[in-house]
Amino acid sequence: KAGVTQTPRYLIKTRGQQVTLSCSPISGHRSVSWYQQTPGQGLQFLFEYFSETQRNKGNFPGRFSGRQFSNSRSEMNVSTLELGDSALYLCASSSAGGSIEQYFGPGTRLTVT
Amino acid sequence: QQQVKQSPQSLIVQKGGISIINCAYENTAFDYFPWYQQFPGKGPALLIAIRPDVSEKKEGRFTISFNKSAKQFSLHIMDSQPGDSATYFCAARYSGAGSYQLTFGKGTKLSVIP
Repeated sequence: KAGVTQTPRYLIKTRGQQVTLSCSPISGHRSVSWYQQTPGQGLQFLFEYFSETQRNKGNFPGRFSGRQFSNSRSEMNVSTLELGDSALYLCASSSAGGSIEQYFGPGTRLTVT
Repeated sequence: QQQVKQSPQSLIVQKGGISIINCAYENTAFDYFPWYQQFPGKGPALLIAIRPDVSEKKEGRFTISFNKSAKQFSLHIMDSQPGDSATYFCAARYSGAGSYQLTFGKGTKLSVIP
């Protein structure tokens, strides 16, 4: 089975721009969660989608949003980018949701200049 | 309340030795405790997980010990190998009102020297 794939792997954006990241979960998995990883804050939960519905949301500003499509693929959007948004954005999928047995993708490295 | 405190930040172990990483939590609503291993340039990979009704779980060279009363859990890596050199994260799942969220420790960078 193919693992979780994320595109693009690397991205450089300018402050004020917006960005969309994509995640394709493991085949058959219906839950997709997003995390932000930075050296200072570590891994922080952004949100979880299950069957196209956002079930959980972390403590991030409204500039961070996401969605899930009927094929379980998910996108994450960050609007009005700030320097502090520079991070590795990780997507994780699981079959049952509820953060049980999550499998992570390789991440998208976002640099905001 | 949502924090998971992980120690040490870094660890150097001789090949063949035992690596021990500790985590502590406060929130008794946490109900699932996974450990992840992350190599540079890769996403975290699920290593082993435990539920709070079990005091110990072993998978190969990896063991989780769980002390519910002390709200602590630890990862033991027996016979540590250079290939185990990676960053390890403990995590805890909060379950409340139909909402689930994983909270991660800050990570431990393990270096196993030959």
